[in-house]
Amino acid sequence: GQQVMQIPQYQHVQEGEDFTTYCNSSTTLSNIQWYKQRPGGHPVFLIQLVKSGEVKKQKRLTFQFGEAKKNSSLHITATQTTDVGTYFCAGFFTGAGSYQLTFGKGTKLSVIP
Amino acid sequence: DTAVSQTPKYLVTQMGNDKSIKCEQNLGHDTMYWYKQDSKKFLKIMFSYNNKELIINETVPNRFSPKSPDKAHLNLHINSLELGDSAVYFCASSGTAATNEKLFFGSGTQLSVL
Repeated sequence: GQQVMQIPQYQHVQEGEDFTTYCNSSTTLSNIQWYKQRPGGHPVFLIQLVKSGEVKKQKRLTFQFGEAKKNSSLHITATQTTDVGTYFCAGFFTGAGSYQLTFGKGTKLSVIP
Repeated sequence: DTAVSQTPKYLVTQMGNDKSIKCEQNLGHDTMYWYKQDSKKFLKIMFSYNNKELIINETVPNRFSPKSPDKAHLNLHINSLELGDSAVYFCASSGTAATNEKLFFGSGTQLSVL
């Protein structure tokens, strides 16, 4: 079936260091969304990328969508303890009747103060 | 006001029992979902309903039966619970079933089957 691969599974960083998580699909995505889940919480929508090569920023977070619309990344500059959580990418696959948002397995970020 | 609310938050039960989880959204959304999150945090879709009609039914044991009495509610009934059903179950909604809609998740129901 269609899958979205996300790496790394875990990332431990010192506060102030940068962090990046990557998502990859073998087939073209219609769009990709990013969610953050705090420990004990529920996934919360961060952003959606639709266009090829799109780059969006939210304060210290930078989201990119690849030119071929098969990969995406989330980069956090100068991590803070409030960034702790699991970050999920989720993609819609192109194709008729495809209503299904497929989630990557997530990257769990730990920030050491 | 909670946008997507699900009850109960915690559910501890014995193997073989039948249980239900309720979900309601007050966002006026047309589409609702059930996701299962296992111990490794993997989020897997189970069902999706659009305006009370089933549009996604992933490979889920038929012990799981969703019911949508109206588009604001999507309940999940589980028969003959098994140990492997232990997980966090999230309800979610989106405006429509279109591919540009973001999901709003409920706070989750942690199911523990003993």
